[in-house]
Amino acid sequence: AQRVTQPEKLLSVFKGAPVELKCNYSYSGSPELFWYVQYSRQRLQLLLRHISRESIKGFTADLNKGETSFHLKKPFAQEEDSAMYYCALVTSGTYKYIFGTGTRLKVLA
Amino acid sequence: NAGVMQNPRHLVRRRGQEARLRCSPMKGHSHVYWYRQLPEEGLKFMVYLQKENIIDESGMPKERFSAEFPKEGPSILRIQQVVRGDSAAYFCASSPESPHEQFFGPGTRLTVL
Repeated sequence: AQRVTQPEKLLSVFKGAPVELKCNYSYSGSPELFWYVQYSRQRLQLLLRHISRESIKGFTADLNKGETSFHLKKPFAQEEDSAMYYCALVTSGTYKYIFGTGTRLKVLA
Repeated sequence: NAGVMQNPRHLVRRRGQEARLRCSPMKGHSHVYWYRQLPEEGLKFMVYLQKENIIDESGMPKERFSAEFPKEGPSILRIQQVVRGDSAAYFCASSPESPHEQFFGPGTRLTVL
């Protein structure tokens, strides 16, 4: 069965430190992977998707099919990055998002 | 564009009552998806609808839950005879076509007393 695993419920880092939010998936086909972010009291919003290979707000994520991972990285964390981050998988040709349980990132001053 | 709207944002019901959750998709979007997030869990797909049609309800509990997306008006997720286990955040998303990136609403937090 398809599954997304985010092993850390909470990640605390100091401002300016590097950040890596882990995401592993289980799917034998060609996945489409996303990172969504939810700031306090706001709705889920798309941060980035692996297809576009963009860098948004300094975040990047590379799909590693060998390790079935899609970790989210940022070299220098900012306080405004504090939020809930969800990794999501869409299997090819479908519309159902399969979400991980989320990681709360706290960036400390 | 106001984005996906959901109301109410918070809903409290007693066991046995009915809960009605509404979702207005973004302008120009005719595809609606409902997800449920139980405490400490990720969002789980419930149902996918297009105007007047249920396309996939494989994630919806077989009893007490129903969804519709009428020709006019918002999509409605209806939960009859609510139980404590229904307490969760219910998110709606919409897209202009499918498959496509989905845009999420702010969610409705249902509390069953």
